[in-house]
Amino acid sequence: DVKVTQSSRYLVKRTGEKVFLECVQDMDHENMFWYRQDPGLGLRLIYFSYDVKMKEKGDIPEGYSVSREKKERFSLILESASTNQTSMYLCASSLRGVNTEAFFGQGTRLTVV
Amino acid sequence: GDSVTQMEGPVTLSEEAFLTINCTYTATGYPSLFWYVQYPGEGLQLLLKATKADDKGSNKGFEATYRKETTSFHLEKGSVQVSDSAVYFCALRAPDFYGGSQGNLIFGKGTKLSVKP
Repeated sequence: DVKVTQSSRYLVKRTGEKVFLECVQDMDHENMFWYRQDPGLGLRLIYFSYDVKMKEKGDIPEGYSVSREKKERFSLILESASTNQTSMYLCASSLRGVNTEAFFGQGTRLTVV
Repeated sequence: GDSVTQMEGPVTLSEEAFLTINCTYTATGYPSLFWYVQYPGEGLQLLLKATKADDKGSNKGFEATYRKETTSFHLEKGSVQVSDSAVYFCALRAPDFYGGSQGNLIFGKGTKLSVKP
């Protein structure tokens, strides 16, 4: 079974802190994604990576950056956490190709106080 | 750009009722279409998919047919159970090319289903 593992289920951080959310997949997938999920807004794409060291901005990249130094790991970085970044963060991975589904991690619920 | 629109929730049904959750899409080219389900406190799981027009995806009693003429992918189940209570997301994936963003999954806003005994 494909496994996508996010480093934390719950996280509480203070405003202004630098926050790292880690995601690891074990199926050699080329693509990895970070989404943010908020009530009434569904899933919104923050960043997408289609290869090591390659990334593309999604719909809401402001205030975030990403790092993909190894194929299996995709990190989301909140440079200076703010309360409006309190949310559920979902990582996903997939093979390249229009017919392939994405596999999701369990999610990290981040609270910024 | 590409987009997915699904019916607003929440939807509340009694056990054994018939379920339809509407989903329509806008996309260039020939996307693949997906339904994902999210149970409380969990990440998203693939429920079913269809990769070309007139394909029917099915799983766990759920079905959806890829209708290119109406750009729709409605989710149906003949008899829902309490255990089907979850949030359902319709999604599309447009044809991708190396170095481009078209490999993204684009999601609808989700429909929360509650099934009462």
